[in-house]
Amino acid sequence: QVQLQESGPGLVKPSETLSLTCTVSGGSISNFYWSWIRQPAGKGLEWIGRIHSTGSTNYNPSLKSRVTMSVDTSKNQFSLKLTSVTAADTAVYYCARDKGVWFGDLYSYYYYMDVWGKGTTVTVSS
Amino acid sequence: DIQMTQSPSTLSASVGDRVTITCRASQSINSWLAWYQQKPGKAPNLLIYKASSLESGVPSRFSGTGSGTEFTLTISSLQPDDFATYYCQQYNSYSYTFGQGTKLEIK
Repeated sequence: QVQLQESGPGLVKPSETLSLTCTVSGGSISNFYWSWIRQPAGKGLEWIGRIHSTGSTNYNPSLKSRVTMSVDTSKNQFSLKLTSVTAADTAVYYCARDKGVWFGDLYSYYYYMDVWGKGTTVTVSS
Repeated sequence: DIQMTQSPSTLSASVGDRVTITCRASQSINSWLAWYQQKPGKAPNLLIYKASSLESGVPSRFSGTGSGTEFTLTISSLQPDDFATYYCQQYNSYSYTFGQGTKLEIK
């Protein structure tokens, strides 16, 4: 079955760039959207954005100015960069697979997250 | 942006109880709602998608209903493994929003 694994530095200095990678195993990264979600300690879930295997992206408007996502299909990986970080960006960061369901009557896809990585903790501190 | 409001924020119940969690959307989202269960230190786990479709492998005591702006997650008979935090999530216009979560505690 498909498994996801987040990796990257656990400590980032304020004003620097947070960089994380999610490696997909047990399946292909192709033809899916892949999301990043974060969760500050003791708080709820916040969707950061997603990327399709073709490179198409959608970002949370509240983070859009600081977020860049990329995909490397040859490595079955996708990545997140979050610039100008502050202590407010300290959180557990999860990657997830978006599964799509076609709604013909609405001529649109509905998506939800069916596979999640275990998460990686990123602390922003000097 | 579509806002999702869950109620209650905390729910105390006993093993064997039937419990219901409500999620309200700030505008209609058709049936584009999912429910997740999260245990401490773990990633969320998908329970329900498209408002009422049970994810494979999820016990049948979990069920979801609703469409438009009001949705419910029901656990028909609480088991010890069900004490966790539950989140609803909407998808609309290429974006997701989560509810703030409902913590289900042992009474």
